[in-house]
Amino acid sequence: DQQVKQNSPSLSVQEGRISILNCDYTNSMFDYFLWYKKYPAEGPTFLISISSIKDKNEDGRFTVFLNKSAKHLSLHIVPSQPGDSAVYFCAASRRHGEKLTFGTGTRLTIIP
Amino acid sequence: ETGVTQTPRHLVMGMTNKKSLKCEQHLGHNAMYWYKQSAKKPLELMFVYSLEERVENNSVPSRFSPECPNSSHLFLHLHTLQPEDSALYLCASAPGGAGHEQYFGPGTRLTVT
Repeated sequence: DQQVKQNSPSLSVQEGRISILNCDYTNSMFDYFLWYKKYPAEGPTFLISISSIKDKNEDGRFTVFLNKSAKHLSLHIVPSQPGDSAVYFCAASRRHGEKLTFGTGTRLTIIP
Repeated sequence: ETGVTQTPRHLVMGMTNKKSLKCEQHLGHNAMYWYKQSAKKPLELMFVYSLEERVENNSVPSRFSPECPNSSHLFLHLHTLQPEDSALYLCASAPGGAGHEQYFGPGTRLTVT
């Protein structure tokens, strides 16, 4: 049973527009959420995170929103740039440092 | 440069071979992990080491055998693998305990023939 779900395997967005990647989770014990970005032939790199005590965290062009009641989080990238083309993984863990549970990833393609 | 290196980057092995994957982290982290990434599946956690002790084994078949001789090095010894074991094997490290931000290596693409 997948506890972290990314239902869109792929997404294409025009350069300069907003990219919105979505993630849903089922385990109500999760309270720390992360986004990772992966280029081909490289390992995932940490992008941004959010704790369950917040509903928004922003870092430059990247903003993560958390809706605890809906068990849903999203990553907004604005404006989208060609270098943002990659696979994005959502991950979740419990507060006290348990393992990360990953989603299946969404391939984002930015169209110039 | 992520600070986590893995060798080899690509490996093709037969089902009767024995090989080892190596991971090294230069970040001073205490926790190290092995993940398996198969096509269209989430990253699957295989093993977790914290301060050189194995703290988690996610029901991984015994044909995969991890070794953590010190906090900077992690090995995955492979023997009598099956074709379905073909995947990308990723190593990661993290400061302190498990969870939270992990730093990944580039992975070893393994093909079992």
